[in-house]
Amino acid sequence: QVQLQESGPGLVKPSATLSLTCTVSGYSISSGYSWGWIRQPPGKGLEWIGSIWHSGSTYYNPSLRRRVSISVDRSKNQFSLRMSSVTAADTSVYYCATINGPFDYWGQGTLVTVSS
Amino acid sequence: QAVVTQEPSLTVSPGGTVTLTCGSSTGGVTSGHHPYWIQQKPGQAPRTLIYETSNKHSWTPARFSGSLLGGKAALTLSGAQPEDEAEYYCLLSYSDASYVAFGGGTKLTVL
Repeated sequence: QVQLQESGPGLVKPSATLSLTCTVSGYSISSGYSWGWIRQPPGKGLEWIGSIWHSGSTYYNPSLRRRVSISVDRSKNQFSLRMSSVTAADTSVYYCATINGPFDYWGQGTLVTVSS
Repeated sequence: QAVVTQEPSLTVSPGGTVTLTCGSSTGGVTSGHHPYWIQQKPGQAPRTLIYETSNKHSWTPARFSGSLLGGKAALTLSGAQPEDEAEYYCLLSYSDASYVAFGGGTKLTVL
């Protein structure tokens, strides 16, 4: 059974860098597929942030590209999100997910609030 | 970048049929956009119902079906149940998945 679990600070100060990690169990990230981050501001819709393929290639939402990076730690079977220069508009529930046809798993999400 | 469009809200009667649609600002939606339909109930994480236009997961109720209809992706619910009341998001891929976009979501009310 594949499971994804987000972890990281629930509160981040404005202008700081948001860092989240997704730990994958039940499947090796190195074996295949793309792995991504999605966010949802309170009361609003889903927004794709970016994805990393098992090869290491990364793709980002153009609206966030300048502030976002996604990386993989194969030894820990984790992938991570870093978002710089955050503002209150970045307050969201952040989900990690792998959405590849029949291979489809989501984390439960973690709320990150940007506030001083 | 591409914008994915959905009806903001729809209402269906219990036992009734409703079709949600998903369009793209770049033109007609095709199987090459690999349409996904994702359901989200209040307070819960999203869950994919349909992938690659019309394929169902093991957890997808049989009353849901996906298709392409008039240049859009479509999700049809036949025999709506109260538990189908939720937000439904469409997801499209562009340029060999180098860009992915969600629609704004359709709030489906069963009433």
